[in-house]
Amino acid sequence: EDQVTQSPEALRLQEGESSSLNCSYTVSGLRGLFWYRQDPGKGPEFLFTLYSAGEEKEKERLKATLTKKESFLHITAPKPEDSATYLCAVQAMGETSGSRLTFGEGTQLTVNP
Amino acid sequence: GAVVSQHPSRVICKSGTSVKIECRSLDFQATTMFWYRQFPKQSLMLMATSNEGSKATYEQGVEKDKFLINHASLTLSTLTVTSAHPEDSSFYICSARDGLDEKLFFGSGTQLSVL
Repeated sequence: EDQVTQSPEALRLQEGESSSLNCSYTVSGLRGLFWYRQDPGKGPEFLFTLYSAGEEKEKERLKATLTKKESFLHITAPKPEDSATYLCAVQAMGETSGSRLTFGEGTQLTVNP
Repeated sequence: GAVVSQHPSRVICKSGTSVKIECRSLDFQATTMFWYRQFPKQSLMLMATSNEGSKATYEQGVEKDKFLINHASLTLSTLTVTSAHPEDSSFYICSARDGLDEKLFFGSGTQLSVL
């Protein structure tokens, strides 16, 4: 069974204080690992897809990296508007149901001004 | 990016009534749509996979007679919560895959409260 574990559950940062969120996964062959941002009362917003170990992707203050067992979402000099819940999800190879994703429980990030 | 529209955003109903939630892909054709359920401070739990023109595939433990899914066209899927009870209160989110892209795009969610 595919599993995704995110840590920490919650993280409070001061504006400008860089940090990283962790996503550990076990999957029977990784097809893709996804990062989403979710604001309260909203659906998840796509951030990144990573496909193979060693891959990195960046978008503004966010950078996602991938190894064979985990992924990190690095946040550089965060701003209050980066406050949200960040979700990690995996898609297994050979999925017969389209793009069925298994989600972690998320990390709730709060950036104080 | 692709847009998925979900309505209503919030619904309050009495116990025993049925509620329909719509999910539309606005600028792409979605052969597959997914319905998730999310409790406060918990992750998204997949309820069912909806394929256009065929019966939905339900995850283990999800009652198909309780949560009726219809994917009548390439741009519309509906979830009907039948005879809703307070324990059905939750945040329901749909998602759709653009056939040209591996990414899933999510609707804005529906907060269902059953009194």
